[in-house]
Amino acid sequence: KNQVEQSPQSLIILEGKNCTLQCNYTVSPFSNLRWYKQDTGRGPVSLTIMTFSENTKSNGRYTATLDADTKKSSLHITASQLSDSASYICVVKNSGNTPLVFGKGTRLSVIA
Amino acid sequence: NAGVTQTPKFQVLKTGQSMTLQCAQDMNHEYMSWYRQDPGMGLRLIHYSVGAGITDQGEVPNGYNVSRSTTEDFPLRLLSAAPSQTSVYFCASSWTGGNSAEAFFGQGTRLTVV
Repeated sequence: KNQVEQSPQSLIILEGKNCTLQCNYTVSPFSNLRWYKQDTGRGPVSLTIMTFSENTKSNGRYTATLDADTKKSSLHITASQLSDSASYICVVKNSGNTPLVFGKGTRLSVIA
Repeated sequence: NAGVTQTPKFQVLKTGQSMTLQCAQDMNHEYMSWYRQDPGMGLRLIHYSVGAGITDQGEVPNGYNVSRSTTEDFPLRLLSAAPSQTSVYFCASSWTGGNSAEAFFGQGTRLTVV
């Protein structure tokens, strides 16, 4: 069964600190993986996309990694800001015209 | 560019009432979908459409109907609302051409059934 598991479920960090969120998936055959950020009361917005051949991709203070062999991805946030407080959702797409597979998300709270 | 527009933003229904959640996109996307989001459950797919006139069921379709008469619109109908349908509903759209297509989400509709 195609599944996406995220950890931790929630995380609280101090402003300025770094953190890493994890995503493991069993989706096959794999096409791509996206990390979305969802602010409270809003729809998710894509942060970055990882395809099979990509290992690392950065978007400002966000850096995503992908190990397609072990089916693991991570999202590293550097020098966190209060505005980073949100849910981060890992979403995997398999080949073909099939629906996306969503993780349940990690709820990140950045406190002063 | 409005993107994906959902209406209403908030709705309270009585058990047994019917209503339609509206979703419109102006990006000429072929693929549209409806999700519900409950605490601790993540986003779950209700119904989706790969083009006008074509719809299919997702993970949790019971109690919901959809239709896709135009590329732009994808309404979600609740025929007889139940308290279990209290949730936040999101509509999304994307290109179907190319597996790397990004999904664009609406702002959500918060539905409470009492």
